[in-house]
Amino acid sequence: DIVMTQSPAILSVSPGERATLSCRASQSVSSNLAWYQQKPGQAPRFLIYGASLRATGVPGRFSGSGSGTEFTLTISSLQSEDFAVYYCQQYKNWPQTFGQGTKLEIK
Amino acid sequence: QLQLQESGPGLVKPSETLSLSCTVSGGSVSSSSFYWGWIRQTPGKGLEWIGSIYYSGSTYYNPSLKSRVTISVDTSKNQFSLKLSSVTATDTAVYYCARHVLLDWIPTYLDPWGQGTLVTVSS
Repeated sequence: DIVMTQSPAILSVSPGERATLSCRASQSVSSNLAWYQQKPGQAPRFLIYGASLRATGVPGRFSGSGSGTEFTLTISSLQSEDFAVYYCQQYKNWPQTFGQGTKLEIK
Repeated sequence: QLQLQESGPGLVKPSETLSLSCTVSGGSVSSSSFYWGWIRQTPGKGLEWIGSIYYSGSTYYNPSLKSRVTISVDTSKNQFSLKLSSVTATDTAVYYCARHVLLDWIPTYLDPWGQGTLVTVSS
């Protein structure tokens, strides 16, 4: 299985600042990577696919980059509603696997 | 707007079979553009993809669970279902159903998700 490793586990950032979240794959997944946001008590919400393509309705402050084994989710100016847990998912190989998540908390 | 809703028992005894259904509204499980998937979440293992099914019955399963998992689809009811046999406490989790989007005929990202249902395995 491809292991997805996210870092850091917890990221403390002030509102209005930029947040950079990382996701590393144990082998190349090309651009077959998605990002999700999960708030407490809610299901994950799909944000990005193809490593950099935003889902419909996702604000422009969310951007994804990377390919191969190294990926980044950047939130350019944090809003209060952005504080949540973020997961990456690879869909290059079966079984599809998720990272363990990065909790983005208010500093 | 497509919505998915999980249903089923919240408590299952060890060694028994966990059975959940996912009802799709605002769309059709018979769409040729999607698979339909099950994912579970635990504090310890995080998000784990269980398996996905196409309206034709074609399935993908996670090898770690394959020997115990059956996913089926009922197009007449616009539902798909999960059965997980011989459960233990480690199968206690929040179980989600989700639409698995096909790109170039490959299931890719999951969107949207159901709200999830907590299933506890305990005697």
